[in-house]
Amino acid sequence: ETGVTQTPRHLVMGMTNKKSLKCEQHLGHNAMYWYKQSAKKPLELMFVYNFKEQTENNSVPSRFSPECPNSSHLFLHLHTLQPEDSALYLCASSLEFQGRGEKLFFGSGTQLSVL
Amino acid sequence: KNQVEQSPQSLIILEGKNCTLQCNYTVSPFSNLRWYKQDTGRGPVSLTIMTFSENTKSNGRYTATLDADTKQSSLHITASQLSDSASYICVVSATSGTYKYIFGTGTRLKVLA
Repeated sequence: ETGVTQTPRHLVMGMTNKKSLKCEQHLGHNAMYWYKQSAKKPLELMFVYNFKEQTENNSVPSRFSPECPNSSHLFLHLHTLQPEDSALYLCASSLEFQGRGEKLFFGSGTQLSVL
Repeated sequence: KNQVEQSPQSLIILEGKNCTLQCNYTVSPFSNLRWYKQDTGRGPVSLTIMTFSENTKSNGRYTATLDADTKQSSLHITASQLSDSASYICVVSATSGTYKYIFGTGTRLKVLA
């Protein structure tokens, strides 16, 4: 276990649904990230939160809406998604914000399928 | 443009054999390089970190090398086991105002009995 827990593990949703992904870390880290992993592509950074404040939004469409109520929890709210949004969504945390390239701790991800 | 390229894309070897995975990067200024292992259905887990001054580092049967002059790294797996079947991702950190992680596309390794 990496100390980062993501739920649900799998999610199938229609294009008109609204759902949320949840991430929780018990490592005392200050930075949390959402990444998208598609087949044969590098991980794509979506959002970064540092001490609960969003520090980066990597040109992500507004149908993805992050929320970070505290340093231990991170949500990704989804609505009116497109089939091309189907991917593995990974949450990660690090002690400091992308600090000095330190280690990222990843959750197991949510495998999302949009029908 | 900061980029990380990995080769091969995929690799199949027999249990007990050795293999070497490659990572070439065009990242500047360079901070460090990490190799992550990602099992199917799991998130990546860090195997090792290489800094500018390090040439070789071992973690059990995994040995990473770094040539900062040619901007190349390799991950050598010795006496492969079935549990080594996974994707191996090379991640380079760049220091350019704020630190950034640049990910490779990974090498998918399959170890057969």
